[in-house]
Amino acid sequence: AQTIHQWPVAEIKAVGSPLSLGCTIKGKSSPNLYWYWQATGGTLQQLFYSITVGQVESVVQLNLSASRPKDDQFILSTEKLLLSHSGFYLCAWSLGVSAETLYFGSGTRLTVL
Amino acid sequence: QQQVRQSSQSLTVWEGETAILNCSYENSAFDYFPWYQQFPGEGPALLIAIRSVSDKKEDGRFTIFFNKREKNLSLHIKDSQPGDSATYFCAASVSTNAYKVIFGKGTHLHVLP
Repeated sequence: AQTIHQWPVAEIKAVGSPLSLGCTIKGKSSPNLYWYWQATGGTLQQLFYSITVGQVESVVQLNLSASRPKDDQFILSTEKLLLSHSGFYLCAWSLGVSAETLYFGSGTRLTVL
Repeated sequence: QQQVRQSSQSLTVWEGETAILNCSYENSAFDYFPWYQQFPGEGPALLIAIRSVSDKKEDGRFTIFFNKREKNLSLHIKDSQPGDSATYFCAASVSTNAYKVIFGKGTHLHVLP
């Protein structure tokens, strides 16, 4: 059974339009959750992390926001997309305070035109 | 400032050879160093990891050599196979703040048959 599910698999959006990407974790209690962004062929840039419901820490400012409305759900959004938002968005989870191993989802490919 | 640096963007080896991927870091506080493997269109997956108290970690064909004094490490892939062709990311974190994981830019490994 898949532990982490990201949706949608891919999106093509216009500059200036809103965006919402989602991530659900199943079978893990109180996971730490993360959003990463990856430019094509590029490194993994951490965007946000959340240790508990309702609390989200921002790591880098990219005109994006994140929320954790439920223990098993992490949402990434923006009201106005920029061309620079194109890329591969990855959700990940880890467990405990050691939190060292990240388990990534399959990602969402976003193209902003 | 790039905190985790991978010296080669791309590396090509023949099947059966040992591939050596290098990584260096800036922050002396980093004490956990995972390597992630990523295939195109997928999320990265943990391959092998080492803590700064060790100088070597081996798992099957994969070995990490770690030099704390020089602040560098390398991933050796013995008997490389075409199926090892992927992008390899060196990462680092501090155990007291494990929620922030810094990734290098990745090395794309090509294993030719």
